[in-house]
Amino acid sequence: AQSVTQPDIHITVSEGASLELRCNYSYGATPYLFWYVQSPGQGLQLLLKYFSGDTLVQGIKGFEAEFKRSQSSFNLRKPSVHWSDAAEYFCAITYSGAGSYQLTFGKGTKLSVIP
Amino acid sequence: DAGVIQSPRHEVTEMGQEVTLRCKPISGHDYLFWYRQTMMRGLELLIYFNNNVPIDDSGMPEDRFSAKMPNASFSTLKIQPSEPRDSAVYFCASSGTGNYGYTFGSGTRLTVV
Repeated sequence: AQSVTQPDIHITVSEGASLELRCNYSYGATPYLFWYVQSPGQGLQLLLKYFSGDTLVQGIKGFEAEFKRSQSSFNLRKPSVHWSDAAEYFCAITYSGAGSYQLTFGKGTKLSVIP
Repeated sequence: DAGVIQSPRHEVTEMGQEVTLRCKPISGHDYLFWYRQTMMRGLELLIYFNNNVPIDDSGMPEDRFSAKMPNASFSTLKIQPSEPRDSAVYFCASSGTGNYGYTFGSGTRLTVV
């Protein structure tokens, strides 16, 4: 069964610093991978997704993620964090075939930003 | 498009009462998902529909939970009777065939006292 692990429960960075949120997955075939962001009291918003092709994926709000098959990882990055990026971030996985669109989510990483 | 619309945004009810949560998916989306989010368990898939038909309800915690999708533009999640441990945020999400990313609603925060 597919699974997603986000090793960091909570990360604190200073505004303007770079950010990397980790995501590791477990699945035999090529997965479809996603990053979502959830601001307090809000639903989840899709930041970016990876299906195939270029392993570096650009998303909204200046975020990018890199798919590394050898490390079973799909880490999210941002060169310079803004205070408005403080939120919870979720990595998610699904796969092609079998007609299943069910996403499996990680437990989330809460990002705090110090002014 | 107005996105996925959920109602109510907040619901406070007494234990033993029936609770109905509502969802309107994005027009043209043929998949609809109900998730529950708690601090302890994170995001859990409860049930999902394809073309209004329930496909997988293995995540529904127990018989007190039921979900319906009478047409392509409306779904309900019902809890009867409600219990304090049902307190959580319930999200609805929809997706279209070939588009594996979901669009989430803003959620319903349920508090059972």
